Amino acid sequence: KAGVTQTPRYLIKTRGQQVTLSCSPISGHRSVSWYQQTPGQGLQFLFEYFSETQRNKGNFPGRFSGRQFSNSRSEMNVSTLELGDSALYLCASSSRDQETQYFGPGTRLLVL
Amino acid sequence: AQSVTQPDIHITVSEGASLELRCNYSYGATPYLFWYVQSPGQGLQLLLKYFSGDTLVQGIKGFEAEFKRSQSSFNLRKPSVHWSDAAEYFCAVGPQHGSSNTGKLIFGQGTTLQVKP
Repeated sequence: KAGVTQTPRYLIKTRGQQVTLSCSPISGHRSVSWYQQTPGQGLQFLFEYFSETQRNKGNFPGRFSGRQFSNSRSEMNVSTLELGDSALYLCASSSRDQETQYFGPGTRLLVL
Repeated sequence: AQSVTQPDIHITVSEGASLELRCNYSYGATPYLFWYVQSPGQGLQLLLKYFSGDTLVQGIKGFEAEFKRSQSSFNLRKPSVHWSDAAEYFCAVGPQHGSSNTGKLIFGQGTTLQVKP
């Protein structure tokens, strides 16, 4: 099976812009979780989607949003970018509730 | 509050030496436990996991981990380290089946492993 894929792999944006990141889970996996990784804060949970519904959300401002499509692919959007949003954004998929999460390679976002 | 602590930020071992990376967690119930490895610029690769049963679990690349409930620990070990093991290692806890805290892994801060030739 193909692994989790994320596009794009690298992004450079400027403050105030918005960005959309995409994640395609492993075939058959219905749960997708998103994480932000920074040197200062480490790995932090953003949100989780299952069957097109957001089931759980971390402590991030409303500028961070996401959605999931019927084929389980997921997107996350960050509006009004800030310098502090520069990070590696990782998505992970799992086959069902509370199961092992498999991670994609990440999208490296740099905000200038 | 739920948390994971990896006390060692950076560890250096000689190639061929044994390795132990420490992980302690604080969680309301017995969580699911994981170790992931991350090479520079890459995503996280699962090394091993513990859900229940035998407290000594085997993973990929010759790694193993032992769950000790009394110590709330899940330490990662390898008997002989190879230069290719140099990377960052993350311990994580996740909710069990039936939990409302779905899809959320809580990670430690990571331990960077350097291997000396």
